Amino acid sequence: AQKVTQAQTEISVVEKEDVTLDCVYETRDTTYYLFWYKQPPSGELVFLIRRNSFDEQNEISGRYSWNFQKSTSSFNFTITASQVVDSAVYFCALSEANDFNKFYFGSGTKLNVKP
Amino acid sequence: NAGVTQTPKFQVLKTGQSMTLQCAQDMNHEYMSWYRQDPGMGLRLIHYSVGAGITDQGEVPNGYNVSRSTTEDFPLRLLSAAPSQTSVYFCASSYSRASGYQETQYFGPGTRLLVL
Repeated sequence: AQKVTQAQTEISVVEKEDVTLDCVYETRDTTYYLFWYKQPPSGELVFLIRRNSFDEQNEISGRYSWNFQKSTSSFNFTITASQVVDSAVYFCALSEANDFNKFYFGSGTKLNVKP
Repeated sequence: NAGVTQTPKFQVLKTGQSMTLQCAQDMNHEYMSWYRQDPGMGLRLIHYSVGAGITDQGEVPNGYNVSRSTTEDFPLRLLSAAPSQTSVYFCASSYSRASGYQETQYFGPGTRLLVL
């Protein structure tokens, strides 16, 4: 079974629109970590955020915000006032306490921000 | 700090050829890993290492070998390349996870491999 599901394969928005990228995860562990990475067209993977399972406080960093809800096993990512430079593939990932050595990535959401 | 470096950036192989993808990090990270990225499948873990001399299998280890003789280097070997191994390969590293605390992984720029 897929441990991390990113159901949105591709999203297109116009610049300055807000956009939310969904991430749903599956785990039986009570201790786990969730991550978001950005992969711009140049191909590298850029770390955005790490969140542990005991911290459900939402986080905001500039135009980026993350909504972690254990009740729905979701860790969604919102970009406010999107910009063309936000165009990239975004990956959500999970690591569980019973095996911290393994990361499970979602299939990614490609975001296209048009001017 | 160069971070995580990978060579080559791009490689074309014929079926049955062997090659080694190089990965090095200069951050004194104990944990290193290899992933492959295929369209629509995200990244999948091939092998990982928690320190020099210690390696273990990930989700998709078949067809790949690894070794870790130094903290800095973690090469990935394809002994007999197959078209199914056409992919983009990423190396990553992080501080030790021995304490159970999940450290963030930092990724190299990737190697694009085409097997004909």
